[in-house]
Amino acid sequence: AQTVTQSQPEMSVQEAETVTLSCTYDTSESNYYLFWYKQPPSRQMILVIRQEAYKQQNATENRFSVNFQKAAKSFSLKISDSQLGDTAMYFCAFISSGSARQLTFGSGTQLTVLP
Amino acid sequence: GAGVSQTPSNKVTEKGKYVELRCDPISGHTALYWYRQSLGQGPEFLIYFQGTGAADDSGLPNDRFFAVRPEGSVSTLKIQRTERGDSAMYLCASSSGTGPNTQYFGPGTRLTVL
Repeated sequence: AQTVTQSQPEMSVQEAETVTLSCTYDTSESNYYLFWYKQPPSRQMILVIRQEAYKQQNATENRFSVNFQKAAKSFSLKISDSQLGDTAMYFCAFISSGSARQLTFGSGTQLTVLP
Repeated sequence: GAGVSQTPSNKVTEKGKYVELRCDPISGHTALYWYRQSLGQGPEFLIYFQGTGAADDSGLPNDRFFAVRPEGSVSTLKIQRTERGDSAMYLCASSSGTGPNTQYFGPGTRLTVL
Protein backbone atom coordinates (compact mmCIF):
# COMPACT_ATOMS: atom_id res chain seq x y z
CA ALA A 1 0.00 0.00 0.00
CA GLN A 2 1.12 3.51 -0.72
CA THR A 3 1.52 6.17 1.94
CA VAL A 4 1.93 9.92 1.61
CA THR A 5 3.45 12.01 4.38
CA GLN A 6 3.28 15.76 4.84
CA SER A 7 5.33 16.63 7.88
CA GLN A 8 4.43 20.32 8.08
CA PRO A 9 0.90 20.74 9.49
CA GLU A 10 1.09 24.54 9.28
CA MET A 11 3.24 27.06 7.49
CA SER A 12 3.13 30.79 6.92
CA VAL A 13 4.80 33.10 4.42
CA GLN A 14 4.84 36.82 3.78
CA GLU A 15 3.09 38.08 0.71
CA ALA A 16 5.41 38.13 -2.35
CA GLU A 17 7.86 35.70 -0.72
CA THR A 18 8.60 32.10 -1.71
CA VAL A 19 7.58 29.04 0.28
CA THR A 20 8.21 25.32 -0.13
CA LEU A 21 5.85 22.62 1.09
CA SER A 22 7.26 19.14 1.66
CA CYS A 23 5.84 15.76 0.73
CA THR A 24 7.31 12.27 0.85
CA TYR A 25 5.70 9.05 -0.25
CA ASP A 26 6.31 5.36 -0.10
CA THR A 27 5.60 2.95 -2.93
CA SER A 28 7.08 -0.13 -4.53
CA GLU A 29 5.84 0.88 -7.96
CA SER A 30 8.03 2.44 -10.61
CA ASN A 31 5.36 4.29 -12.53
CA TYR A 32 2.83 6.58 -10.89
CA TYR A 33 1.54 10.13 -10.75
CA LEU A 34 1.81 12.77 -8.07
CA PHE A 35 -0.43 15.77 -7.48
CA TRP A 36 -0.74 18.85 -5.36
CA TYR A 37 -4.29 19.94 -4.61
CA LYS A 38 -5.34 23.17 -2.92
CA GLN A 39 -8.42 23.45 -0.68
CA PRO A 40 -9.24 27.05 0.30
CA PRO A 41 -11.37 27.61 3.41
CA SER A 42 -14.92 26.36 2.80
CA ARG A 43 -14.24 25.91 -0.86
CA GLN A 44 -13.66 22.96 -3.08
CA MET A 45 -10.43 21.15 -3.80
CA ILE A 46 -8.70 22.24 -6.97
CA LEU A 47 -5.69 20.85 -8.80
CA VAL A 48 -2.50 22.88 -8.52
CA ILE A 49 0.00 20.74 -10.38
CA ARG A 50 0.59 17.20 -11.63
CA GLN A 51 3.79 15.20 -12.17
CA GLU A 52 4.27 11.93 -14.03
CA ALA A 53 6.93 9.77 -12.39
CA TYR A 54 8.45 8.75 -15.72
CA LYS A 55 9.21 12.38 -16.58
CA GLN A 56 12.51 13.69 -15.28
CA GLN A 57 11.57 17.31 -15.86
CA ASN A 58 9.88 19.01 -12.94
CA ALA A 59 6.37 20.30 -13.64
CA THR A 60 5.63 24.01 -13.47
CA GLU A 61 2.39 25.99 -13.56
CA ASN A 62 2.92 29.74 -13.44
CA ARG A 63 4.03 30.54 -9.86
CA PHE A 64 3.87 26.89 -8.81
CA SER A 65 6.65 24.38 -9.41
CA VAL A 66 7.69 21.05 -7.97
CA ASN A 67 10.97 19.45 -7.01
CA PHE A 68 10.49 15.77 -7.81
CA GLN A 69 13.21 13.48 -6.47
CA LYS A 70 12.19 9.96 -7.48
CA ALA A 71 15.02 8.11 -5.74
CA ALA A 72 14.32 9.95 -2.50
CA LYS A 73 10.54 9.63 -3.00
CA SER A 74 10.16 13.32 -2.39
CA PHE A 75 7.75 15.74 -4.09
CA SER A 76 7.88 19.29 -2.77
CA LEU A 77 5.83 22.25 -3.97
CA LYS A 78 7.35 25.71 -4.38
CA ILE A 79 5.11 28.73 -4.49
CA SER A 80 6.79 31.88 -5.76
CA ASP A 81 5.53 35.44 -5.27
CA SER A 82 2.97 34.24 -2.71
CA GLN A 83 -0.43 35.92 -2.85
CA LEU A 84 -3.15 36.26 -0.21
CA GLY A 85 -5.34 34.00 -2.34
CA ASP A 86 -2.82 31.19 -1.91
CA THR A 87 -3.97 30.79 1.69
CA ALA A 88 -5.39 27.26 1.79
CA MET A 89 -4.84 23.69 2.86
CA TYR A 90 -2.49 21.97 0.44
CA PHE A 91 -2.64 18.22 -0.08
CA CYS A 92 -0.07 16.02 -1.75
CA ALA A 93 -1.56 12.96 -3.46
CA PHE A 94 -0.38 9.78 -5.19
CA ILE A 95 -2.02 7.57 -7.79
CA SER A 96 -0.73 4.35 -9.25
CA SER A 97 -0.47 3.81 -12.99
CA GLY A 98 -1.71 0.27 -12.41
CA SER A 99 -5.30 -0.82 -12.04
CA ALA A 100 -6.01 1.04 -8.80
CA ARG A 101 -7.56 4.42 -9.45
CA GLN A 102 -7.94 5.93 -6.00
CA LEU A 103 -5.88 8.90 -4.90
CA THR A 104 -3.94 8.49 -1.67
CA PHE A 105 -3.65 11.82 0.13
CA GLY A 106 -1.33 13.18 2.76
CA SER A 107 -2.71 14.87 5.86
CA GLY A 108 -2.24 18.33 4.42
CA THR A 109 -0.32 21.53 5.13
CA GLN A 110 -2.24 24.65 6.13
CA LEU A 111 -0.52 27.57 4.40
CA THR A 112 -1.25 31.12 5.51
CA VAL A 113 -0.02 34.05 3.42
CA LEU A 114 0.49 37.10 5.61
CA PRO A 115 -0.02 40.65 4.30
CA GLY B 1 -18.30 23.81 -18.85
CA ALA B 2 -19.91 22.97 -15.53
CA GLY B 3 -17.81 21.28 -12.89
CA VAL B 4 -18.71 18.49 -10.50
CA SER B 5 -21.78 19.34 -8.44
CA GLN B 6 -22.96 17.80 -5.19
CA THR B 7 -26.22 18.08 -3.33
CA PRO B 8 -27.05 18.89 -0.65
CA SER B 9 -24.17 21.09 0.44
CA ASN B 10 -25.05 20.38 4.07
CA LYS B 11 -27.03 17.57 5.63
CA VAL B 12 -27.92 17.28 9.30
CA THR B 13 -29.53 14.07 10.42
CA GLU B 14 -30.18 12.09 13.56
CA LYS B 15 -28.39 8.94 14.58
CA GLY B 16 -30.03 5.91 13.00
CA LYS B 17 -31.53 7.73 10.03
CA TYR B 18 -30.92 7.00 6.34
CA VAL B 19 -29.26 9.61 4.07
CA GLU B 20 -28.55 9.97 0.37
CA LEU B 21 -25.84 12.19 -1.07
CA ARG B 22 -25.86 13.03 -4.76
CA CYS B 23 -23.03 13.70 -7.19
CA ASP B 24 -23.30 15.01 -10.74
CA PRO B 25 -19.95 14.59 -12.55
CA ILE B 26 -18.46 16.64 -15.35
CA SER B 27 -20.30 15.83 -18.56
CA GLY B 28 -18.59 13.03 -20.45
CA HIS B 29 -16.49 11.81 -17.54
CA THR B 30 -16.81 8.06 -17.29
CA ALA B 31 -14.99 7.67 -13.97
CA LEU B 32 -16.52 8.80 -10.67
CA TYR B 33 -15.08 8.60 -7.17
CA TRP B 34 -16.34 9.11 -3.64
CA TYR B 35 -14.04 10.17 -0.81
CA ARG B 36 -14.62 10.97 2.84
CA GLN B 37 -12.73 13.77 4.58
CA SER B 38 -12.66 14.18 8.33
CA LEU B 39 -11.87 17.59 9.79
CA GLY B 40 -8.20 18.47 9.39
CA GLN B 41 -7.39 15.33 7.40
CA GLY B 42 -6.86 14.38 3.79
CA PRO B 43 -9.66 12.69 1.85
CA GLU B 44 -9.94 8.91 2.09
CA PHE B 45 -11.14 6.79 -0.79
CA LEU B 46 -14.52 5.10 -0.59
CA ILE B 47 -15.54 3.82 -4.03
CA TYR B 48 -14.74 4.18 -7.74
CA PHE B 49 -17.13 3.75 -10.65
CA GLN B 50 -16.18 3.21 -14.27
CA GLY B 51 -19.41 3.73 -16.17
CA THR B 52 -22.29 2.12 -14.32
CA GLY B 53 -20.28 -0.45 -12.41
CA ALA B 54 -18.37 -0.14 -9.16
CA ALA B 55 -14.82 -1.01 -10.24
CA ASP B 56 -13.42 -0.73 -6.71
CA ASP B 57 -15.44 -0.47 -3.50
CA SER B 58 -12.61 -1.46 -1.17
CA GLY B 59 -12.81 1.82 0.74
CA LEU B 60 -16.40 1.48 1.93
CA PRO B 61 -16.09 1.14 5.73
CA ASN B 62 -18.96 -1.32 6.27
CA ASP B 63 -22.20 -2.57 4.77
CA ARG B 64 -24.12 0.52 5.91
CA PHE B 65 -22.52 2.36 3.01
CA PHE B 66 -23.64 1.76 -0.55
CA ALA B 67 -23.34 3.72 -3.81
CA VAL B 68 -24.99 3.48 -7.20
CA ARG B 69 -24.56 4.99 -10.63
CA PRO B 70 -27.38 3.44 -12.65
CA GLU B 71 -26.99 5.38 -15.88
CA GLY B 72 -23.27 6.03 -15.78
CA SER B 73 -23.63 9.70 -14.90
CA VAL B 74 -25.15 10.82 -11.59
CA SER B 75 -24.17 8.82 -8.52
CA THR B 76 -25.81 8.50 -5.13
CA LEU B 77 -23.98 7.55 -1.94
CA LYS B 78 -26.37 5.94 0.52
CA ILE B 79 -25.73 5.57 4.24
CA GLN B 80 -28.06 3.46 6.37
CA ARG B 81 -28.47 3.64 10.15
CA THR B 82 -26.17 6.65 10.40
CA GLU B 83 -23.78 6.90 13.33
CA ARG B 84 -22.12 9.96 14.83
CA GLY B 85 -18.80 8.72 13.46
CA ASP B 86 -20.16 9.11 9.93
CA SER B 87 -20.02 12.89 10.35
CA ALA B 88 -17.57 14.19 7.74
CA MET B 89 -17.27 15.96 4.41
CA TYR B 90 -18.14 13.63 1.56
CA LEU B 91 -16.36 14.54 -1.67
CA CYS B 92 -17.11 13.39 -5.17
CA ALA B 93 -14.66 13.57 -8.06
CA SER B 94 -14.75 12.63 -11.72
CA SER B 95 -12.19 12.01 -14.44
CA SER B 96 -12.13 11.16 -18.11
CA GLY B 97 -11.10 7.83 -19.62
CA THR B 98 -9.94 4.74 -17.82
CA GLY B 99 -6.39 5.72 -16.92
CA PRO B 100 -5.00 7.52 -13.85
CA ASN B 101 -6.23 10.85 -15.16
CA THR B 102 -6.64 14.00 -13.13
CA GLN B 103 -9.61 13.89 -10.80
CA TYR B 104 -11.77 16.99 -10.52
CA PHE B 105 -13.56 17.48 -7.24
CA GLY B 106 -16.97 18.80 -6.32
CA PRO B 107 -17.64 21.17 -3.40
CA GLY B 108 -18.62 18.31 -1.10
CA THR B 109 -21.53 17.51 1.20
CA ARG B 110 -20.96 18.14 4.88
CA LEU B 111 -22.82 15.45 6.81
CA THR B 112 -23.52 15.95 10.49
CA VAL B 113 -25.06 13.12 12.49
CA LEU B 114 -26.50 14.27 15.81
